Amino acid sequence: SQTIHQWPATLVQPVGSPLSLECTVEGTSNPNLYWYRQAAGRGLQLLFYSVGIGQISSEVPQNLSASRPQDRQFILSSKKLLLSDSGFYLCAWSVRLGSPYNEQFFGPGTRLTVL
Amino acid sequence: TQLLEQSPQFLSIQEGENLTVYCNSSSVFSSLQWYRQEPGEGPVLLVTVVTGGEVKKLKRLTFQFGDARKDSSLHITAAQPGDTGLYLCAAGTGTASKLTFGTGTRLQVTL
Repeated sequence: SQTIHQWPATLVQPVGSPLSLECTVEGTSNPNLYWYRQAAGRGLQLLFYSVGIGQISSEVPQNLSASRPQDRQFILSSKKLLLSDSGFYLCAWSVRLGSPYNEQFFGPGTRLTVL
Repeated sequence: TQLLEQSPQFLSIQEGENLTVYCNSSSVFSSLQWYRQEPGEGPVLLVTVVTGGEVKKLKRLTFQFGDARKDSSLHITAAQPGDTGLYLCAAGTGTASKLTFGTGTRLQVTL
């Protein structure tokens, strides 16, 4: 079965510090990978998605970047955090080929607080 | 930009009551999913509907996709405290499996 991991679970960082959040998927190959941010109690905002190693699409201009160094690894980064970067960050995966239904499966999330 | 509007935004009911949550858009979608998210956790997929007019049942939950594939509803019968959470609809466009998520409905079921 497939599993998706995110770490850390919780992070408190000062303004201006760097950020690195990691997501890994097990039990599948060649997945599509996604990073979302969620404000408290609200819907999900897609930040980045990737259809393969080194292929990153950005959905919104912001202070963040993403990388996919390996097939099942997705990293969200920032060089200098802003207060507005606080939120709940979710990683998700979907089957790249063979599924017309766009079903996505989410990790447990990282709660980021920027002070 | 495709938007999915959910209503109501917040719903507080007592155990045993029935409720319906709506997900509406002006766009046509190839598929639509419903997710439930508990506080501090990632969303969990409940169901996918793909055919206009389709109805799916998952125990006490009934999901319907609109005939024109622009809207959907989630009906819960005899709600229980375990149904508490944030319900999100999400629609697919077929592009790189991207999903557009709805604004969310927060459900609270009390004893």
